[in-house]
Amino acid sequence: EAGVAQSPRYKIIEKRQSVAFWCNPISGHATLYWYQQILGQGPKLLIQFQNNGVVDDSQLPKDRFSAERLKGVDSTLKIQPAKLEDSAVYLCASSSLGTLATDTQYFGPGTRLTVL
Amino acid sequence: GDSVTQMEGPVTLSEEAFLTINCTYTATGYPSLFWYVQYPGEGLQLLLKATKADDKGSNKGFEATYRKETTSFHLEKGSVQVSDSAVYFCALSDSGGSNYKLTFGKGTLLTVNP
Repeated sequence: EAGVAQSPRYKIIEKRQSVAFWCNPISGHATLYWYQQILGQGPKLLIQFQNNGVVDDSQLPKDRFSAERLKGVDSTLKIQPAKLEDSAVYLCASSSLGTLATDTQYFGPGTRLTVL
Repeated sequence: GDSVTQMEGPVTLSEEAFLTINCTYTATGYPSLFWYVQYPGEGLQLLLKATKADDKGSNKGFEATYRKETTSFHLEKGSVQVSDSAVYFCALSDSGGSNYKLTFGKGTLLTVNP
């Protein structure tokens, strides 16, 4: 079974530029998550999709971050304009349901963003 | 709100030493508990999980027991190997309504020397 795919793996941009990350979840997984992992910290949930609907975006900085999951499969996370403090690893994860506490989330390799 | 507190690192051990990484949690509901591991240059992988009180999760020689009375989920391994060097994250999954989301601790870096 193929895992969660993410691209690019690395991205370096200057502040105020825009950037986009792509995620392809495990086939058949209804729930998709985007996390931000700042160096030395645990991942923090940015947004959660159930199929193609948003169920939690309470920690997404909506003035600069946006995400979509068209057709309930692939997802794109965008930052526009980027700030220095956005430097982090952006992780995508998926789970089969997302409606049970016992569901396991499977993570992709992440995209390491450096904002100069 | 929900939170996870785990042992500050880094932890440095010699091969075959005993490992304990402490983890305690605060949750409003009845969470499931997880340990994830992140090897250098790789993504997070589920190591083990426990879904109810007194459950023991185990995998690759690691184990952790869900202790509701002490709100803890400490990770243990009897004899570590160099290949266990990684960052370990304790996490809980609790309901935020109809959806469940993971709340992570800050991670503990483990280095095992030969």
